Amino acid sequence: GAVVSQHPSWVICKSGTSVKIECRSLDFQATTMFWYRQFPKQSLMLMATSNEGSKATYEQGVEKDKFLINHASLTLSTLTVTSAHPEDSSFYICSASLGVETQYFGPGTRLLVL
Amino acid sequence: GNSVTQMEGPVTLSEEAFLTINCTYTATGYPSLFWYVQYPGEGLQLLLKATKADDKGSNKGFEATYRKETTSFHLEKGSVQVSDSAVYFCALSDSLSQKLVFGQGTRLTINP
Repeated sequence: GAVVSQHPSWVICKSGTSVKIECRSLDFQATTMFWYRQFPKQSLMLMATSNEGSKATYEQGVEKDKFLINHASLTLSTLTVTSAHPEDSSFYICSASLGVETQYFGPGTRLLVL
Repeated sequence: GNSVTQMEGPVTLSEEAFLTINCTYTATGYPSLFWYVQYPGEGLQLLLKATKADDKGSNKGFEATYRKETTSFHLEKGSVQVSDSAVYFCALSDSLSQKLVFGQGTRLTINP
C-alpha cells in the first residue's frame, strides 16, 4: 500500500526556536496533503490543507504565521513551528491524499518544547 | 458543523469476545464514514469505509453499517484477537473538501 513517512519521529527543542517537520509520500504523488495535531487522549484536529504549488488553507483558529506549511513538490510537504512554546508540544500527523476520500497517514512526529 | 462522537475508552476484552465500539455523527449532506486503526508506534490505517446509507464496510473481520436513520456507524467484530489491540477512530468526510473529522478515539486492549 501507499507509504507516507515523517521526519523526525520525535524532537525536543528549546522555547523560542523553530522546528521543521517533513512529510513525504514515498511511492505516490499527492497533490493534497493534510496536517493534523493530536493532543494526549484526544482526537486528531485538522490544522491545514496543503496543495502542491499553492498556499495552504488553514482551519479556523490555527495561526498561519505560527505554523508555516510549504508543499514544494508532489511528494513533500513541510510544517515549520516557528518560535515554539511549551503549549505547542503535541503529536503532529500528516496525511497524503491519493484521490477523493483516500488519505494515507504518516506515523506522526512528537514535539516537546522545553 | 460536522462532528463525530464515539464511545469512550479504554475498552478491555478477553480474546474471542464480541466487540462493539459505538460511533454517531452529525453532518450536513451525505458524508462518507470511516473507521481508522492506529497500532502502537504506527500511523493511522484505513480499516473500512461506507459511502452511502445502508452500505456495510468490512475488513479483517470487522464490520460497520452506515445507518442514516440513527446517524450511526458502529464497529463490530465477532471474535477479537490480541493483535486487534490498538486505538480505533471513527471519522467522516465531506467528499467535496476531502476533510476528515475524527472522533476522539477508543483504545482497545485484548487480553489473552
